[in-house]
Amino acid sequence: EVQLVESGGGLVQPGGSLRLSCAASRFTFSSYWMHWVRQGPGKGLVWVSRISSNGSSTSYADSVKGRFTISRDNAENTLYLQMNSLRAEDTAVYYCVREDSTTSRGKYYYHGMDVWGQGTTVTVSS
Amino acid sequence: SYELTQPPSVSVSPGQTVSITCSGDKLGDRYAYWYQQKPGQSPVLVIFQDNKRPSGIPERFSGSNSGNTATLTISGTQAMDEADYYCQAWDTSTAYVFGTGTTVTVL
Repeated sequence: EVQLVESGGGLVQPGGSLRLSCAASRFTFSSYWMHWVRQGPGKGLVWVSRISSNGSSTSYADSVKGRFTISRDNAENTLYLQMNSLRAEDTAVYYCVREDSTTSRGKYYYHGMDVWGQGTTVTVSS
Repeated sequence: SYELTQPPSVSVSPGQTVSITCSGDKLGDRYAYWYQQKPGQSPVLVIFQDNKRPSGIPERFSGSNSGNTATLTISGTQAMDEADYYCQAWDTSTAYVFGTGTTVTVL
């Protein structure tokens, strides 16, 4: 079964840093664009960041731009999220997510986020 | 920034049909996606590109998208369908925006 397993969450003080990891298995990780999506306590889903299959292209939500960095190691089948200058409002469950998409005749087709990890909890508090 | 608005909650009796709306500016010009999230679980994609069902999603889930509104419809609702549902829109300018979420209660 296709699997994504996040780790690295925990309690951190405001202004601190944390690095999340996501281990992918049972699919060709290097072929897929990947995302981080977060969900604050009792709140909705919020897209955080995305990285292309080879890591050459990244994008971020405005709320994390300049503070978070997404990266990947295709040799190790692992996705990362480096989070710096953490704020209380970054407190959330962070999901690692696989994107299903295709490219045909140079056009990109997004088919949705088809595989989600179980999430890792980040709490920013003093 | 682009916003998608959903009703906070809807209720339905078992076996009946329920529709969940998702409103956004010219949403019909973009593709809409729907995710189901049961308590304590990760989200699951139930509709992509407006009206397509991923493998394993029951036929009772259907979707449409026109004008400023996308709609997820659950026909013959079952107790197991009780969950939070989130819409998502995508295009090259919208990127990946989620709706505010709707709690479906099966009474």
